[in-house]
Amino acid sequence: DAGVIQSPRHEVTEMGQEVTLRCKPISGHNSLFWYRQTMMRGLELLIYFNNNVPIDDSGMPEDRFSAKMPNASFSTLKIQPSEPRDSAVYFCASSFQAGTGVLNEQYFGPGTRLTVT
Amino acid sequence: GENVEQHPSTLSVQEGDSAVIKCTYSDSASNYFPWYKQELGKRPQLIIDIRSNVGEKKDQRIAVTLNKTAKHFSLHITETQPEDSAVYFCAADFYNNNDMRFGAGTRLTVKP
Repeated sequence: DAGVIQSPRHEVTEMGQEVTLRCKPISGHNSLFWYRQTMMRGLELLIYFNNNVPIDDSGMPEDRFSAKMPNASFSTLKIQPSEPRDSAVYFCASSFQAGTGVLNEQYFGPGTRLTVT
Repeated sequence: GENVEQHPSTLSVQEGDSAVIKCTYSDSASNYFPWYKQELGKRPQLIIDIRSNVGEKKDQRIAVTLNKTAKHFSLHITETQPEDSAVYFCAADFYNNNDMRFGAGTRLTVKP
């Protein structure tokens, strides 16, 4: 398996533009996580899907952020409109959850470095 | 809300010395505690994990200990090497949400 795949790897955009980040989890994994990493705030969980259903989106900063998982092999994180404070590295991770309360290793993608000017 | 506290935020040791990083968690139902290493510009990668039915786990120079009563767990690296220099994150699962929360990270520097 190629591991978790994210695209693009780097994105530079102007304030006010829409940004879409993409993730392909490892085949067979049933849980997908979106994280944001900055120096100031560390690694923050934004949203978590299990079997393509959003379970916990309490980390999503505000209405400008939205995430979807239309099928088991694809997820998107969208920011509209983008702002300079959204600049960060966004990681997608996937894992296989064996059951309630039985979490396993999360495999991280390479990340997308977003810069909003 | 549920959280994970990690200390210290930075740690500098001499090559060959030991390094210890400590974390506390708030959810008494947590039962999975992984540690991730993140090298500069790279993704976090799992180095060791422990479940609540085990008090200690070792893998070569790395060990993790868990005290469920006190709700804290620690990472121990012995005979440190310059390539151990990285940011280390602890994490704990939160049973009700069935997801994971990460500590703020510890930047470890091993001086040759």
